[in-house]
Amino acid sequence: AQKITQTQPGMFVQEKEAVTLDCTYDTSDQSYGLFWYKQPSSGEMIFLIYQGSYDEQNATEGRYSLNFQKARKSANLVISASQLGDSAMYFCAMRGLEYGNKLVFGAGTILRVKS
Amino acid sequence: DGGITQSPKYLFRKEGQNVTLSCEQNLNHDAMYWYRQDPGQGLRLIYYSQIVNDFQKGDIAEGYSVSREKKESFPLTVTSAQKNPTAFYLCASSPRGAGSSYEQYFGPGTRLTVT
Repeated sequence: AQKITQTQPGMFVQEKEAVTLDCTYDTSDQSYGLFWYKQPSSGEMIFLIYQGSYDEQNATEGRYSLNFQKARKSANLVISASQLGDSAMYFCAMRGLEYGNKLVFGAGTILRVKS
Repeated sequence: DGGITQSPKYLFRKEGQNVTLSCEQNLNHDAMYWYRQDPGQGLRLIYYSQIVNDFQKGDIAEGYSVSREKKESFPLTVTSAQKNPTAFYLCASSPRGAGSSYEQYFGPGTRLTVT
């Protein structure tokens, strides 16, 4: 079974608008961590935001926020006020004991910001 | 500045040759990882190491080998046994091997082309 699912292969958003990138996960762990990374065309992986499974509030980091719905096992990334520099591949990832505390990645979503 | 270096950025080899990819970190991290990324896809774990002189196979270890003689260094050898070695290789490190809250820090990657 897929551990991390990102159902949107590609997304477009108009500059200055908000966009939500979907991520659902599968785990039997009670304690786990969820991460989002950005990969520009240069290839580097940039850490954006982290959500712990026991965190009661949704994580926020600047223009990034994580819409965490534990019962639905979803951890969607919300980017507010999109900028042209946000165009990149975005990966959702999870770490937990069930997967040996290794980081498990989804297939990614390509985001294109239009001017 | 602290970080992870991978060299070279682009590497070309003839089929049948072994090639070693370098990964060095000065973040004093215990754990290090190697990932492979194919075009338009997510990251797949090749090998990881949580302490010096110890490493474990990831999901796609066949045709690869690693060593961890120093905390700072985790070189990856792509052997001639790897059937499809052409890919983008990313090295990462994290403060600890266990614990779900620690994100991984990534190097800039090496793009390997084998002809």
